[in-house]
Amino acid sequence: DIVMTQSPDSLAVSLGERATINCKSSQSVLYSSNNKNFLAWYQQKPGQPPKLLVYWASTRESGVPDRFSGSGSGTDFTLTISSLQAEDVAVYYCQQYYSIPLTFGQGTRLEIK
Amino acid sequence: EVQLVESGGGLVQPGGSLRLSCAASGFTFSSYWMHWVRQAPGKGLVWVSRINSDGSSTTYADSVKGRFTISRDNAKNTLYLQMDSLRAEDTAVYYCERGSTKGFDIWGQGTMVTVSS
Repeated sequence: DIVMTQSPDSLAVSLGERATINCKSSQSVLYSSNNKNFLAWYQQKPGQPPKLLVYWASTRESGVPDRFSGSGSGTDFTLTISSLQAEDVAVYYCQQYYSIPLTFGQGTRLEIK
Repeated sequence: EVQLVESGGGLVQPGGSLRLSCAASGFTFSSYWMHWVRQAPGKGLVWVSRINSDGSSTTYADSVKGRFTISRDNAKNTLYLQMDSLRAEDTAVYYCERGSTKGFDIWGQGTMVTVSS
């Protein structure tokens, strides 16, 4: 199984400041045939289902604000929120969909400082 | 509107059974692989099972293999999860998702399953 490890577990950032969440996979999730990383980021607010933010490690889902960006390749990935807004308070998960079983990181709780 | 709506959750005793349903609308259900993911109270997301677009291939997490069965009825645009021999550790919100090359791009709102005596 591919183990996904996020850091930090929790993060407090001031409004308007940058937030950075890291995700490391125990094996590469880069699919060589199309050169795409099968890595997604989700946002989950309390009492709601997760929402897809980024797929292929760096492609923003339609409708997601451009302050959210994903980067990285192979085994190391980052989700960056360039200017934190109050509505961004949530738990963020990375997920690999490269191989079965599909696995998620443990989650990073983002709060306002 | 593209939508997934789960139902069938509830309270069940250990060893009991429950069948979850997920009604799809707003997209061509029969073209997509579908998945179930669960989330225990206060915990993270755990993938449970997937089924291919015509229902001929299924895969399960080791924790539910032999106890859960995923199926679909493309004529009814509905995904199912039959859960047998339930255990306390199966207590969770169960979500159905549409699988794609983006990962899980559509999620249902979830249905709560509580296994307790």
